[in-house]
Amino acid sequence: KQEVTQIPAALSVPEGENLVLNCSFTDSAIYNLQWFRQDPGKGLTSLLLIQSSQREQTSGRLNASLDKSSGRSTLYIAASQPGDSATYLCAVDQFYFGTGTSLTVIP
Amino acid sequence: DGGITQSPKYLFRKEGQNVTLSCEQNLNHDAMYWYRQDPGQGLRLIYYSQIVNDFQKGDIAEGYSVSREKKESFPLTVTSAQKNPTAFYLCASKPRDSQSYEQYFGPGTRLTVT
Repeated sequence: KQEVTQIPAALSVPEGENLVLNCSFTDSAIYNLQWFRQDPGKGLTSLLLIQSSQREQTSGRLNASLDKSSGRSTLYIAASQPGDSATYLCAVDQFYFGTGTSLTVIP
Repeated sequence: DGGITQSPKYLFRKEGQNVTLSCEQNLNHDAMYWYRQDPGQGLRLIYYSQIVNDFQKGDIAEGYSVSREKKESFPLTVTSAQKNPTAFYLCASKPRDSQSYEQYFGPGTRLTVT
């Protein structure tokens, strides 16, 4: 069964810093990987969807990469802002979720 | 304004009572999903529906039931048989039940059973 891990569980960075969030999965035979943002007590907001044939996707200050062979995806956030503070989750093949990384951007 | 709505935002029930959570979407999506989120755990799939009048069990369907009488609506009933019903419940939808599409989530309902 696919297992998805996100480390670290929490991360604090000063405003303006570039940062990388990690997502690891155990079975490399995947269809896609999706990154979400979740604010406290709210639903999930889709950030980026990477299909298995793609290596990366970009949206504004966000860039997500996928390396199936190593079972890893990273979400790069450039020039972080306090408004980026949230929990970031990754999901493999829609149904296999990590437990998330809680990001705090300090003004 | 297209999207997924879930109501109510907070729900409180006594143990032994059934409770129904609402999920409505106006995105014209065929596929709808119910997940449960507990602290420190990833989302877990309860039920999903690929089309009207059809639904399948997910990983943790015991103690839950659903219906899909209309394309727009996919209500979830938490029955008294569910051992640990207190959780955050999230509804999602996709245009089709295919890996080519991203899924969109509603705002969630927090259920507390005492």
